Amino acid sequence: GQNIDQPTEMTATEGAIVQINCTYQTSGFNGLFWYQQHAGEAPTFLSYNVLDGLEEKGRFSSFLSRSKGYSYLLLKELQMKDSASYLCAVMDSNYQLIWGAGTKLIIKP
Amino acid sequence: DAGITQSPRYKITETGRQVTLMCHQTWSHSYMFWYRQDLGHGLRLIYYSAAADITDKGEVPDGYVVSRSKTENFPLTLESATRSQTSVYFCASRGGTDTGELFFGEGSRLTVL
Repeated sequence: GQNIDQPTEMTATEGAIVQINCTYQTSGFNGLFWYQQHAGEAPTFLSYNVLDGLEEKGRFSSFLSRSKGYSYLLLKELQMKDSASYLCAVMDSNYQLIWGAGTKLIIKP
Repeated sequence: DAGITQSPRYKITETGRQVTLMCHQTWSHSYMFWYRQDLGHGLRLIYYSAAADITDKGEVPDGYVVSRSKTENFPLTLESATRSQTSVYFCASRGGTDTGELFFGEGSRLTVL
């Protein structure tokens, strides 16, 4: 079956760095997405990785290793507004997105 | 303003009633999707549409009906609502390539009593 695993909840301190991991087993692979979802709001796109390596976008970076079925989202210089759920999703061979349950990130001052 | 909008944002209904959730997008995106989001689960695909008059089942289609007579609209109907359909429903659209990002509506929170 297809499966996306990510931690349910993480806590970090304002100003620090946090890494949210995602492991996957899917039927084929056409890329991995990270979305951010604030409580009570819609998910919004953060990043897309299809090749191995690190993609950096300001304070956020996303890493992919296809051979290991592994990705992480790295958030630097954490701000209170980064408190949200972070959703990992993999696009399978049929171009359908398989979603993880999300990681709730709590930022403490 | 351009975007993707859902209505109603909140709905309370009773078991057995028919409910329709509306979704409208102004980008002329080809693909549109309906997801449900429940605690402890990832987003689960109910139905999707690749173009007007083309719809396909997703992971959890039972109890739902969709139509897409116009590119911009993609309504989702619960023909006879059940308590297990209490959820937050998100409509999304995607244009361009198959691997393009999804743009989500604000969500419709449905409670079935």
